[in-house]
Amino acid sequence: AQTVTQSQPEMSVQEAETVTLSCTYDTSESDYYLFWYKQPPSRQMILVIRQEAYKQQNATENRFSVNFQKAAKSFSLKISDSQLGDAAMYFCAYRTYSGGGADGLTFGKGTHLIIQP
Amino acid sequence: DGGITQSPKYLFRKEGQNVTLSCEQNLNHDAMYWYRQDPGQGLRLIYYSQIVNDFQKGDIAEGYSVSREKKESFPLTVTSAQKNPTAFYLCASSIRGVYNEQFFGPGTRLTVL
Repeated sequence: AQTVTQSQPEMSVQEAETVTLSCTYDTSESDYYLFWYKQPPSRQMILVIRQEAYKQQNATENRFSVNFQKAAKSFSLKISDSQLGDAAMYFCAYRTYSGGGADGLTFGKGTHLIIQP
Repeated sequence: DGGITQSPKYLFRKEGQNVTLSCEQNLNHDAMYWYRQDPGQGLRLIYYSQIVNDFQKGDIAEGYSVSREKKESFPLTVTSAQKNPTAFYLCASSIRGVYNEQFFGPGTRLTVL
């Protein structure tokens, strides 16, 4: 079974600064997908960014980018120019490539990101 | 507006009673999912369904049951066999395909007294 580990229960960053959230995972598969989801105080889950394991190029979405290290099984999220609206729980998630394409996600326990004004 | 609705937002039940949580989507998605979230924990998969009249157990299916009679609906029943049912429950849906985004509903907070 796959596992996802987020070793930072809480992170704090000053507004406009850059912060990196860590995620490691354990899998024996070679093809899979990785995601970062954001859960603000409203508790609505929002997709931030996704990465296909077979792609070497790191995904980028505006101020959000990932550092995907397949050999190290590491998938960190970098948030540049942090904004107050970025304050939320961030969850790293893994999805297997097998199973007909509709298996559920395996989530880490999350990192609570605090933005200091 | 297309989206996923979960009702009710808050639900209180007495211990020993079964309770059914509603999840409806109008996104025309084939796949639907139920997750449970406890404080300090990530989401854990309870059940998922790829097509109508078919569903599979997730990591923590014990004490739960589901049905998928319509594409739009995937209700979750929390039975009296579930030892610790108080939690936040999230429903999601997606187009079939591993890269496709799962869209989440607003969640239901279940409290068993």
